[in-house]
Amino acid sequence: AQKVTQAQTEISVVEKEDVTLDCVYETRDTTYYLFWYKQPPSGELVFLIRRNSFDEQNEISGRYSWNFQKSTSSFNFTITASQVVDSAVYFCALKHWSSYKLIFGSGTRLLVRP
Amino acid sequence: DADVTQTPRNRITKTGKRIMLECSQTKGHDRMYWYRQDPGLGLRLIYYSFDVKDINKGEISDGYSVSRQAQAKFSLSLESAIPNQTALYFCATSDFEPGRGTDTQYFGPGTRLTVL
Repeated sequence: AQKVTQAQTEISVVEKEDVTLDCVYETRDTTYYLFWYKQPPSGELVFLIRRNSFDEQNEISGRYSWNFQKSTSSFNFTITASQVVDSAVYFCALKHWSSYKLIFGSGTRLLVRP
Repeated sequence: DADVTQTPRNRITKTGKRIMLECSQTKGHDRMYWYRQDPGLGLRLIYYSFDVKDINKGEISDGYSVSRQAQAKFSLSLESAIPNQTALYFCATSDFEPGRGTDTQYFGPGTRLTVL
């Protein structure tokens, strides 16, 4: 079975702190995609990153970085020097290579306080 | 301009009314999807379409129907709305191409529907 677990329901930090959002996935497939999406208070779902299962390179984009580790089935997301605008619900998702189905985690609500 | 647009953005309607939610995209993607999001239940797939002639039911299609009028347009209808269809509805497209190793879903801004 395929499953995505985001154990942190809610995280609260003070602005400029670093914060890591955890994502653990389960799959029997050897080829799959992992994603992160952001849902700000305004409600839209914004794509942040896609990772293919055969590419374990970590990625950095400005203050955002992602750590993909197949050995622990994790795809964690770190925000460095958090800002109030980072306040949102963040979803991790999994998709098998040949499937249309996107499996979402339950989301982590991040609150960045000024 | 946004690549995936949804109209209306907000709608309040009454039980029993027919309502249509529209989705348009300028991304040129063949695949389109309709989801609903409910607190505590996450996103659930209602219908998906791989091209104009290929439409499929998702996990919760009862009470809904869809129409794929063109590659760029995918509409969701509630034939007779009921209160438990109150939710945030998302349209999405994906950049799937065979053998290319991509398949990312891009979401529209959402339609907040309330059925009284």
